[in-house]
Amino acid sequence: GESVGLHLPTLSVQEGDNSIINCAYSNSASDYFIWYKQESGKGPQFIIDIRSNMDKRQGQRVTVLLNKTVKHLSLQIAATQPGDSAVYFCAENGPGGFKTIFGAGTRLFVKA
Amino acid sequence: NAGVTQTPKFRVLKTGQSMTLLCAQDMNHEYMYWYRQDPGMGLRLIHYSVGEGTTAKGEVPDGYNVSRLKKQNFLLGLESAAPSQTSVYFCASSYGYPDTQYFGPGTRLTVL
Repeated sequence: GESVGLHLPTLSVQEGDNSIINCAYSNSASDYFIWYKQESGKGPQFIIDIRSNMDKRQGQRVTVLLNKTVKHLSLQIAATQPGDSAVYFCAENGPGGFKTIFGAGTRLFVKA
Repeated sequence: NAGVTQTPKFRVLKTGQSMTLLCAQDMNHEYMYWYRQDPGMGLRLIHYSVGEGTTAKGEVPDGYNVSRLKKQNFLLGLESAAPSQTSVYFCASSYGYPDTQYFGPGTRLTVL
């Protein structure tokens, strides 16, 4: 079946280091991908998105990489800060009607 | 702009009771969604709406009903609550599809 999965359920990094959060997707027809951040007790918040005609997109301290060959998505956070501690979700969107699939999430811990 | 708001924030129900969750958005978005989030699982779509007066079933619609009488509001109803409906409920909205979804702060519902 179609799914969005994560390689690691938790990730712990030192403050100031770079973080990489990975995500695998199974629907090769998915054409729009989004990363969300969810802090404890809050709703998911948009971080960055990428369409399937791109393989890299950069934002402020964040970069998303898309590898369509292996159906893999990653989120890179530069100079990770304590405020980056949260759960990060990837989501894929496919064509042919409404269908957004969310991954279970990766919890990022930032050690001071 | 308030973005997406949800009321109430917390609620405890007894089995068999009914309630309505209210979602409001002030971004003039056409699309609105109701999700539930359970521990260790990704967001699962309950119902969604592609415009005022329209509703459609998502992945887990059983036991829920929705209405979209006004463009800015999306109501989620539980007619006869069951313990399996204990969850955190999130409302979201978007301008179109596929597009970034903006989430509310969530409603934590416990059914005893």
